Amino acid sequence: GQNIDQPTEMTATEGAIVQINCTYQTSGFNGLFWYQQHAGEAPTFLSYNVLDGLEEKGRFSSFLSRSKGYSYLLLKELQMKDSASYLCAVKDSNYQLIWGAGTKLIIKP
Amino acid sequence: GAVVSQHPSWVICKSGTSVKIECRSLDFQATTMFWYRQFPKQSLMLMATSNEGSKATYEQGVEKDKFLINHASLTLSTLTVTSAHPEDSSFYICSVRQREGGEQYFGPGTRLTVT
Repeated sequence: GQNIDQPTEMTATEGAIVQINCTYQTSGFNGLFWYQQHAGEAPTFLSYNVLDGLEEKGRFSSFLSRSKGYSYLLLKELQMKDSASYLCAVKDSNYQLIWGAGTKLIIKP
Repeated sequence: GAVVSQHPSWVICKSGTSVKIECRSLDFQATTMFWYRQFPKQSLMLMATSNEGSKATYEQGVEKDKFLINHASLTLSTLTVTSAHPEDSSFYICSVRQREGGEQYFGPGTRLTVT
C-alpha cells in the first residue's frame, strides 16, 4: 500500500529552527509537496521537490532524497504565525496526491 | 497561485436535507477538479476526482449516490450532499488543476454542519 509518515505534533520556540520530517512509500513518484494549513482553513502551497536536494524559499526550505523516500521541511526564525499543521503529500505514478496526516506545529514564545 | 472560490463558506442544514457546494476556478480553466473532506484533527481525504464533461471518479468507500458531483464547465464543479446526516458534518475542500502533473490549487473550504 501507499504510506506517508510524519510526526503528529511538534513544539518549538519563537525565533528557533524546526525540522519536520516526512517518509513515504508510494507506487511511483512524481514530486513531493509541502502545504501549510491553519486551523479551519484550506491548505496553502509551500514547496515542491521533484529532484534530490534542497529548495530554499525565504524562511522555509524543503529537502528531498528519493532513494531514501525522505523529505523534510525546515522552518527558520520561527514566528507565532507559523503555528499550523504542515502536510506532506506525494504525487504517485497516476499523478494522484497521497497525503500524510499532517504535523501540528506549536510555537511557544 | 490560482484563485479558487467556494460557496458557501459555511452551512448548517437539518438532517435529511440536501446541500450544494460550488467550487469555481477563477484564474484558469481547470480540466480536473478534486473534492476532499477533512474531519477535525485529521488529514485530507480525497472523495472524488472529476474531469470536465465526464463522470466523476469516486474513491473507495465514498457513495456516489450520496455525494453528487457535477463538473459542468471548466471553471465550475458542484458537490451535492444528499439526505445529509450528522456524520456528514465536515470541512469540504475543492482543488483545481489546469493540466495533468500540474499543481493543485485549493479553495477556502466549506464547513458543513448537519443538525
